[in-house]
Amino acid sequence: GQNIDQPTEMTATEGAIVQINCTYQTSGFNGLFWYQQHAGEAPTFLSYNVLDGLEEKGRFSSFLSRSKGYSYLLLKELQMKDSASYLCAVRDADSSYKLIFGSGTRLLVRP
Amino acid sequence: GAVVSQHPSRVICKSGTSVKIECRSLDFQATTMFWYRQFPKKSLMLMATSNEGSKATYEQGVEKDKFLINHASLTLSTLTVTSAHPEDSSFYICSARLRGLSNQPQHFGDGTRLSIL
Repeated sequence: GQNIDQPTEMTATEGAIVQINCTYQTSGFNGLFWYQQHAGEAPTFLSYNVLDGLEEKGRFSSFLSRSKGYSYLLLKELQMKDSASYLCAVRDADSSYKLIFGSGTRLLVRP
Repeated sequence: GAVVSQHPSRVICKSGTSVKIECRSLDFQATTMFWYRQFPKKSLMLMATSNEGSKATYEQGVEKDKFLINHASLTLSTLTVTSAHPEDSSFYICSARLRGLSNQPQHFGDGTRLSIL
């Protein structure tokens, strides 16, 4: 079966660093995506990993370990506007490019 | 700017009504679009993969006669919720992927909030 796990909620302080973990067990793997979603809005793309290692993009970084079925999203210098849900999604290995989403992590950034 | 346009953004209608939702890719051709459903505080559940010029591929448990998908052109896919009932009330989101490199992400429309009275 397909299983993607993320913590349900996290709280952090403005200016701090937070790490959101994602573990997956899927029948196939062809890349892992992180999306940000504010309440009532569509998800927006943050990062993509297909090889092991760290991908850095400004305040956001994402890490992947394929052997461990594990990824994390690292957010630095947190801002209030970073309060949102963060969705981990694994792309299936077939040619359809469809994504399997985790349940999402709701991040609350406090002053 | 937005690369995927979804319309309408909000629909409120009576039970038994059929509702059509449009998803357009802007400035690019999308041979494949995806339709998702999202309940409050839950993640996105893939309903179906919409393929231009052929039948959609539905996920297990999704009624294809209930959720009709048409992908008649390379820039437009439509989802019709037929004879909608209150339990169909949800947030429906489409996405499209630019063709080309495998690292291309799916880009999402702004979603349609459907409320059936």
